Amino acid sequence: DGGITQSPKYLFRKEGQNVTLSCEQNLNHDAMYWYRQDPGQGLRLIYYSQIVNDFQKGDIAEGYSVSREKKESFPLTVTSAQKNPTAFYLCAISIDPGNNRYEQYFGPGTRLTVT
Amino acid sequence: DQQVKQNSPSLSVQEGRISILNCDYTNSMFDYFLWYKKYPAEGPTFLISISSIKDKNEDGRFTVFLNKSAKHLSLHIVPSQPGDSAVYFCAASARGSNYQLIWGAGTKLIIKP
Repeated sequence: DGGITQSPKYLFRKEGQNVTLSCEQNLNHDAMYWYRQDPGQGLRLIYYSQIVNDFQKGDIAEGYSVSREKKESFPLTVTSAQKNPTAFYLCAISIDPGNNRYEQYFGPGTRLTVT
Repeated sequence: DQQVKQNSPSLSVQEGRISILNCDYTNSMFDYFLWYKKYPAEGPTFLISISSIKDKNEDGRFTVFLNKSAKHLSLHIVPSQPGDSAVYFCAASARGSNYQLIWGAGTKLIIKP
């Protein structure tokens, strides 16, 4: 089986702790993205990476960090500096961004609850 | 400033009838538009897209219409089926934006039997 995997599906943490969300893909795509979704809102971009060892901040990067050491993996760390970390986190890959096609394909998501 | 707006938080449609979901945008640089469907606690699923050089794109029961002068697009689902009940997101992208998508807030579609 292939595609985009995110683990775990549900994650619970105490306030003040850092937590890392996993995103793995075996589709050999370069571009990967992290979004968060809150109730009644659209998806908001946290970070994205278009190539290994390079990544850029999205609209709401404060309190988050990422790494892209391998093409297949783009983990997201939610740090204790993130004021409202409880949300649904989605990882995506982009197909053929060089051919004027902008479709992104998503993993199943991780629901993070911080108490 | 919301660049992509879906003004209807929810829409209820009878099974078998047409569902029309609307989306407005403000950025004239957007040149590619997409619709996604999302079930609770799952990732969005790509449905259909349209380039700004077209005004209509059709794929099975789904048709997207683009009115560039009005900065408006719509998704038509005909006929509506119970499995279509979900939240639908409109997204847009502009050439030169590093392929970033800007998302609307979504419209919850409820198909009544």
